Amino acid sequence: GENVEQHPSTLSVQEGDSAVIKCTYSDSASNYFPWYKQELGKRPQLIIDIRSNVGEKKDQRIAVTLNKTAKHFSLHITETQPEDSAVYFCAAGNAGNMLTFGGGTRLMVKP
Amino acid sequence: GAGVSQSPSNKVTEKGKDVELRCDPISGHTALYWYRQSLGQGLEFLIYFQGNSAPDKSGLPSDRFSAERTGGSVSTLTIQRTQQEDSAVYLCASSSYGRGRGTKPYEQYFGPGTRLTVT
Repeated sequence: GENVEQHPSTLSVQEGDSAVIKCTYSDSASNYFPWYKQELGKRPQLIIDIRSNVGEKKDQRIAVTLNKTAKHFSLHITETQPEDSAVYFCAAGNAGNMLTFGGGTRLMVKP
Repeated sequence: GAGVSQSPSNKVTEKGKDVELRCDPISGHTALYWYRQSLGQGLEFLIYFQGNSAPDKSGLPSDRFSAERTGGSVSTLTIQRTQQEDSAVYLCASSSYGRGRGTKPYEQYFGPGTRLTVT
């Protein structure tokens, strides 16, 4: 089955700096890579996703890159703000099928 | 429209008792997933339903865990003879191939979860 590793487990940045979270996956058949944000006590919510037919996708301050050869993908948040503080989860799988999640990254943005 | 709902929001039970957790997916969503999240941990896949196909039960941790999905909509996760290690937040999610009103295809929409505490 799929195995997803996520690093770092915690990340502290100064407001305005960039944050990068990295994930690796094991199953070359995976073709869908979403990122979820989970604020304290709340449900996970999708912030961006990427399919295997593209290498990069951007949405305002958030971008995701995918390297299928190396089987890794990354989340980039620029100009971080205190409201970006949360736990971020990467996941891998096939669109419409079950996902395997990484262990999560606790991002803290210091004002 | 209404999102995924789960009930109860909190459940405290004694070790050895059975519990039932309920999930109402977004209307029109054919896929339904159950995940478990222990305190400060990631999401652990439990079971996946897709339409009328046989469910993927590969994530269920033991035979004390089972789930049903009636009429292709509501799902119930049952844990028999609960143990303390079952304490966690149980999250349900649903997704569509494009038929859920106002939802994005393939995106998994999560419910608020049921916090289960086994004493």
